Amino acid sequence: QQQVKQSPQSLIVQKGGISIINCAYENTAFDYFPWYQQFPGKGPALLIAIRPDVSEKKEGRFTISFNKSAKQFSLHIMDSQPGDSATYFCAASMKRRGSTLGRLYFGRGTQLTVWP
Amino acid sequence: DAGVTQSPTHLIKTRGQQVTLRCSPKSGHDTVSWYQQALGQGPQFIFQYYEEEERQRGNFPDRFSGHQFPNYSSELNVNALLLGDSALYLCASSAAPPADTQYFGPGTRLTVL
Repeated sequence: QQQVKQSPQSLIVQKGGISIINCAYENTAFDYFPWYQQFPGKGPALLIAIRPDVSEKKEGRFTISFNKSAKQFSLHIMDSQPGDSATYFCAASMKRRGSTLGRLYFGRGTQLTVWP
Repeated sequence: DAGVTQSPTHLIKTRGQQVTLRCSPKSGHDTVSWYQQALGQGPQFIFQYYEEEERQRGNFPDRFSGHQFPNYSSELNVNALLLGDSALYLCASSAAPPADTQYFGPGTRLTVL
């Protein structure tokens, strides 16, 4: 069972446009929601992350919007650039007893293509 | 400051063989997690090591085992390789709690023929 559902699977945006990727989860115990960017042949790189006590977090051109009641969160990439073309993954984790760090549950990924 | 490093970069094995992958965490990090990423999929959690003990385990068979050394580096071992084990194996490290951020290495691409 997929703990985090991500959409769309692929996204094509024109340069300068806004890219929006959505994720949904069921487990209300999740307390940390990161977004990762992955280029072909590379490992995922952390972009931005949010906790459920805030509804929005912005870092440069990247913004996470978080809706706790709907159990949804999304990534907005403003002024999208060709260099943003990559696969984006949302993820979620929760603290567990006996462990120092929650495991990450990833979405299936969104392949973003930004046309120049 | 070196990030998470993994070796080897690529590996080709045949069915039934055994493989060992290695990971050195980011400086100052003491927790290591391993993930398997099949082509076109998101990473799947294998297990996590802290203080040289396995702390959490995902839904992977016992053929997958690991180890963490006193210097916090880690190994992932896979026995009796199957074709379906072909994937990118990622190592992620994090600092002591309450840190949540996990930093990933470049991965090891394993191909099983």
